[in-house]
This record gives sequence, C-alpha cells and structure tokens, in this order.
Amino acid sequence: GENVEQHPSTLSVQEGDSAVIKCTYSDSASNYFPWYKQELGKRPQLIIDIRSNVGEKKDQRIAVTLNKTAKHFSLHITETQPEDSAVYFCAVPGGSGNTGKLIFGQGTTLQVKP
Amino acid sequence: DTGVSQDPRHKITKRGQNVTFRCDPISEHNRLYWYRQTLGQGPEFLTYFQNEAQLEKSRLLSDRFSAERPKGSFSTLEIQRTEQGDSAMYLCASSQRQGYQETQYFGPGTRLLVL
Repeated sequence: GENVEQHPSTLSVQEGDSAVIKCTYSDSASNYFPWYKQELGKRPQLIIDIRSNVGEKKDQRIAVTLNKTAKHFSLHITETQPEDSAVYFCAVPGGSGNTGKLIFGQGTTLQVKP
Repeated sequence: DTGVSQDPRHKITKRGQNVTFRCDPISEHNRLYWYRQTLGQGPEFLTYFQNEAQLEKSRLLSDRFSAERPKGSFSTLEIQRTEQGDSAMYLCASSQRQGYQETQYFGPGTRLLVL
C-alpha cells in the first residue's frame, strides 16, 4: 500500500523566515497532494492542495511544489507569522487516482518564534 | 455552521462500555470518512461511505467497531466493549466526489478517553 514519509518532525523558525516541509510517497499513481494544518485541539484544515502534473501552486504565503519523478512534494511557507504555529500534515490518496481514503504523514510541528 | 459536525465532542467511559459517536457531513457531500488520531500522529483511516454504502474498512477496524450511514446523510460509529487502547480522537470527514476530484473536510472530532 501507499507509504508517506514526512520531514522534519519539528521545525522552529523566527518570525518572517521561511519554512519548508517535505513529504515522500511510494505509489507513482498518486495524483493528488493535500496539506492540512491542525492547531492544538482543533480539526485538520485543508490549506492547499495540488493535482495532476502541475509542478507548483501558490496561495499568498503558501506554496506546494511537486516532483512526480522523485515522488516528493513540499510545503513552503514564506514570511512566517506566529499564527502559522501548528502541526502540518501531508497526505496522499490511499485508493486509486485522486479519490478515496487519505494516507497521512506523521506530521510536522512548526513553531514560529516572535 | 455549514461545516462537518460531530457529537459528542468529548466522551469519557469505563473499559467494557459501549460508545456511539455521530457525524453530520456537509449537506451535499456524498462521501463520509472516519479516521482515528492518536497523540502526535496523523489521522489513520478507519472506514468510508459513499451515500449509504460502506465501501472500505481498514484492518484497524476490529469486530468491536461498526459504522453506519443509513440514509446517506449522518453516520454513526459504535465501539463495543471499549478498551483503553481505543482512547483517541475520532475524526469524521466528508467530501463530494465529482469525477476524479475530491476534497475532504474534517469535523472537530470526538475525543474518547477509556478509563
């Protein structure tokens, strides 16, 4: 089955710096790559996702890059703010194509120091 | 609030008791997922429904777990004879599958503590 590895497990940055989190996956058929943010005691919230063979997608300070050949994708947060502090999870579909259950990475705890 | 809702938000029970959780998905969503999340880990898939049909169950879902979505709207997850290892956050997510595209939106979860 699909396997997802996420690194690093913890990341501490100064406010205003950039943060990068990387995930690798095993199933080359995967074609949908979401990122979720989970604040303490709250639900996971989708912050950005990428589909198909698009190599990069941006939404304000957040971007996701995808390298299908190498089977990895990364979350980039620029100009980090204290409210970015949370646990971030990558995920890939565990079923065929873009649908069905999600297999999540182990999570990255991001701390943004003011 | 038109998002996914779950009830109760917290449940404390004694080992051996049965518990039932409810999930109300976003109204137009045809798929509903249950995940379990333990401290420091990502959500782990348990089972999912498309309308009222249960399409897949994880091997994590032992015989003590049962889920239903009788009318294709809300769903219930029941755990019989609870064990301390069942203590976790139980998350529900819903989605609207359109062709080969689907985005899952999560509810706030039910935190279960088995004493």
